[in-house]
Amino acid sequence: GENVEQHPSTLSVQEGDSAVIKCTYSDSASNYFPWYKQELGKRPQLIIDIRSNVGEKKDQRIAVTLNKTAKHFSLHITETQPEDSAVYFCAASIHSGGYQKVTFGTGTKLQVIP
Amino acid sequence: EPEVTQTPSHQVTQMGQEVILRCVPISNHLYFYWYRQILGQKVEFLVSFYNNEISEKSEIFDDQFSVERPDGSNFTLKIRSTKLEDSAMYFCASSEAGWGGRSNEQFFGPGTRLTVL
Repeated sequence: GENVEQHPSTLSVQEGDSAVIKCTYSDSASNYFPWYKQELGKRPQLIIDIRSNVGEKKDQRIAVTLNKTAKHFSLHITETQPEDSAVYFCAASIHSGGYQKVTFGTGTKLQVIP
Repeated sequence: EPEVTQTPSHQVTQMGQEVILRCVPISNHLYFYWYRQILGQKVEFLVSFYNNEISEKSEIFDDQFSVERPDGSNFTLKIRSTKLEDSAMYFCASSEAGWGGRSNEQFFGPGTRLTVL
């Protein structure tokens, strides 16, 4: 089955700096890669996603890049703010016939220091 | 904005007891999922459900687990004989049909914290 590895497990940055989280996946059939933000005690919430036919996607301060050949994808947060502090999960999904089996990474705890 | 809801928010049970966790997906969604998250760990896929049948399940989802959509709105996860290691947060999620636009986005409920004593 799919295996998703995520690094680093913890990341501390100064407010205003950039943060980068990297993930690798194992199953070349994976074709959808969402990123979730989870605040303490809350539900995961989608912040950005990318499909396998796209190499890069940006939404304001957040961007994701995908390298299908190398099977890795990354989340970039620029101009970090204290409210960006949370656990971020990458995920890889095989989207087939409408349903998904989503495999999550192990999470990165991001701390933005004011 | 429509949200996925789950009840109860916290369930405490004795080992060996049956529990039913309830979810109300977003009304126009057709694909439903259950995940679990052991405290401090990653989110783990359990099962996906479409058209009144399981479409995919993980190795965690053994014979002790079952899912059901008993009516037009609820989606339930049953654990027949709970074990200590079933203690976790259980998230329900739903998504629209298809593969276009944002329809593949999964919306998560707030979770049910299951504690098995």
